[in-house]
Amino acid sequence: NAGVTQTPKFRVLKTGQSMTLLCAQDMNHEYMYWYRQDPGMGLRLIHYSVGEGTTAKGEVPDGYNVSRLKKQNFLLGLESAAPSQTSVYFCASGRGTQLYGYTFGSGTRLTVV
Amino acid sequence: DAKTTQPPSMDCAEGRAANLPCNHSTISGNEYVYWYRQIHSQGPQYIIHGLKNNETNEMASLIITEDRKSSTLILPHATLRDTAVYYCIVRVASGGGADGLTFGKGTHLIIQP
Repeated sequence: NAGVTQTPKFRVLKTGQSMTLLCAQDMNHEYMYWYRQDPGMGLRLIHYSVGEGTTAKGEVPDGYNVSRLKKQNFLLGLESAAPSQTSVYFCASGRGTQLYGYTFGSGTRLTVV
Repeated sequence: DAKTTQPPSMDCAEGRAANLPCNHSTISGNEYVYWYRQIHSQGPQYIIHGLKNNETNEMASLIITEDRKSSTLILPHATLRDTAVYYCIVRVASGGGADGLTFGKGTHLIIQP
């Protein structure tokens, strides 16, 4: 009963490098989300998906791409990392209605130098 | 989404009830009140939600005023492990709620030994 698993947990990138963050959920949830959280701030939505093969932009999508090829996985890509993307990234999943709340992963701490 | 207002920080003695207020004076009839918390460096955790009736679960109680313009989250016997940032979020429960939760800065609750 893993819930939402994020990999990796920590990563240091050089400016201009690319990487992919993986989010996997085993709860058969339809909805999945990627958030970022900067020091002293609340979470901001980057991209989300309401089902396999669908994605949509959130509040701060620039510099990121996402894919949902399988229902259980939601990938967040950084094509050319910038220091402004240094943040903690959280993935969440949920059922088709908010009545059950979202389940969050434990986060990926990314530093871009 | 209706905007919410929370105090930035609160203290509570261990073993006492912690009462966290939230104002949401522009809430619509179909919007629920959700509470999440985030313990340092972890992903947010769903606590409870309600529409207009008071709700209780194993974690907390939610008291919503009759006019629904404000609510209070109650942790009946606070422990040191309850030290966290608590977020009050107002959101429709289905359909339009697919595009994620909007997190403000929340209330930093500090439980004092």
